Amino acid sequence: QQQVKQSPQSLIVQKGGISIINCAYENTAFDYFPWYQQFPGKGPALLIAIRPDVSEKKEGRFTISFNKSAKQFSLHIMDSQPGDSATYFCAASKTGNNRKLIWGLGTSLAVNP
Amino acid sequence: GAGVSQSPSNKVTEKGKDVELRCDPISGHTALYWYRQSLGQGLEFLIYFQGNSAPDKSGLPSDRFSAERTGGSVSTLTIQRTQQEDSAVYLCASSIIDRAYEQYFGPGTRLTVT
Repeated sequence: QQQVKQSPQSLIVQKGGISIINCAYENTAFDYFPWYQQFPGKGPALLIAIRPDVSEKKEGRFTISFNKSAKQFSLHIMDSQPGDSATYFCAASKTGNNRKLIWGLGTSLAVNP
Repeated sequence: GAGVSQSPSNKVTEKGKDVELRCDPISGHTALYWYRQSLGQGLEFLIYFQGNSAPDKSGLPSDRFSAERTGGSVSTLTIQRTQQEDSAVYLCASSIIDRAYEQYFGPGTRLTVT
C-alpha cells in the first residue's frame, strides 16, 4: 500500500502565485519528512525537510507546514516562478537499521509566465 | 567535490541481452540506493546497500535483477535477459548512513530495450 500519499498529481500555477502540494502518511514512527525537487533529465535533489517536533519550516520561498495530529504535511512555494517548474516528491523516513525513504508519487508543477 | 556519477548515461539494448549499470557514490557515503523511474512516474525503490551488504533487496522486480557493491564504493546493477518493460531511468543515490533522509542522486542511466 502507498504509505505516503501525495496530491495533486499535477499542478499549474501562474507566475507569482502560491503552489501547494500535500502529503499524508500513516506510520507514526516516521520522524523525518523531506521534500525533493526533480528537473527533467536530472536526479531528485533535497529541497527542504522537517521533523515532527516543528510545525513549520521556511527556507526562502519554500515552506513546509506539518500537522502531526492529522498526519499531514505540505509544501508551499510562495511567489512561484517559471524556474520552479519541476516534479516535487515528498518522502518520509524513520530511525532504524534500514533507514530508507518512503516516497510519494510526485507532483508535476508547471508555473506559467 | 564530486557528486554521484552514473554510467552509461544512456543505454540502448536488444531484448534478451544483459546490461550492467554503474554507480559511483560520493566518497565516504556508506549507504547506497538504486531506484527505477519510468517516464513521468515516481521513484520505485530497488535495493539498499549499507557498506557492501544489502539488507534490503525487497524492491528488485525479479531474479533477472541483481546488484553488488565492492569496496564500500562502486555499485553495479545488472539486468539479465532484458525485457521491454525494463525500459526506464535507473537512478542511484548515496547518503551518510545516519542521514538516509538526505540522499544525493546521480543523473541516472536511461535504459531503452528494443
